[in-house]
Amino acid sequence: DTGVSQDPRHKITKRGQNVTFRCDPISEHNRLYWYRQTLGQGPEFLTYFQNEAQLEKSRLLSDRFSAERPKGSFSTLEIQRTEQGDSAMYLCASSLRRADSPLHFGNGTRLTVT
Amino acid sequence: SQELEQSPQSLIVQEGKNLTINCTSSKTLYGLYWYKQKYGEGLIFLMMLQKGGEEKSHEKITAKLDEKKQQSSLHITASQPSHAGIYLCGAALNYGGSQGNLIFGKGTKLSVKP
Repeated sequence: DTGVSQDPRHKITKRGQNVTFRCDPISEHNRLYWYRQTLGQGPEFLTYFQNEAQLEKSRLLSDRFSAERPKGSFSTLEIQRTEQGDSAMYLCASSLRRADSPLHFGNGTRLTVT
Repeated sequence: SQELEQSPQSLIVQEGKNLTINCTSSKTLYGLYWYKQKYGEGLIFLMMLQKGGEEKSHEKITAKLDEKKQQSSLHITASQPSHAGIYLCGAALNYGGSQGNLIFGKGTKLSVKP
């Protein structure tokens, strides 16, 4: 299966620690997206890349959050000085650069900040 | 305010029954996506609608987008336990904007009783 892969699936961390998540998109997809989902809510857009360029960031992405896609392939999302409010499912998606190309999501990384 | 309203919030149906889930916006939808999510997992792409009046079907699931492109419905015929899950609608609200900056509804939780 060559779907979107996210690692780790689960992460438990203490408040104040830094965490980093990885996303490997579908290989031919040049767009990569990060979303966040809390319980009972739909996913919320965080940021997206086209190849290695970060083209859009949501106001939800505070200064403690940083995302990279250095070679236009995999991406990392880092959260510094985690807070309990950061606890959520972090979803990665990828697509082709075409208006009719849907987003394909990974299984997410569930973050719990204690 | 929630820009995409889904109804109902939850639904319990007997196996074999038909059901409809609605997704409504006060704004024009430029690209309407339906996804299914199992608890704790990622989103599975079902269908994408772009044109007013468009209708698509896959197996026992039919999705429609109204002519004004402000409302979509997802209809499941002869429901099965495998249809159980959370159905999410997502949409692009800005013409020409990033196709990946989608707004999602809160989801409709479907349970199918055998």
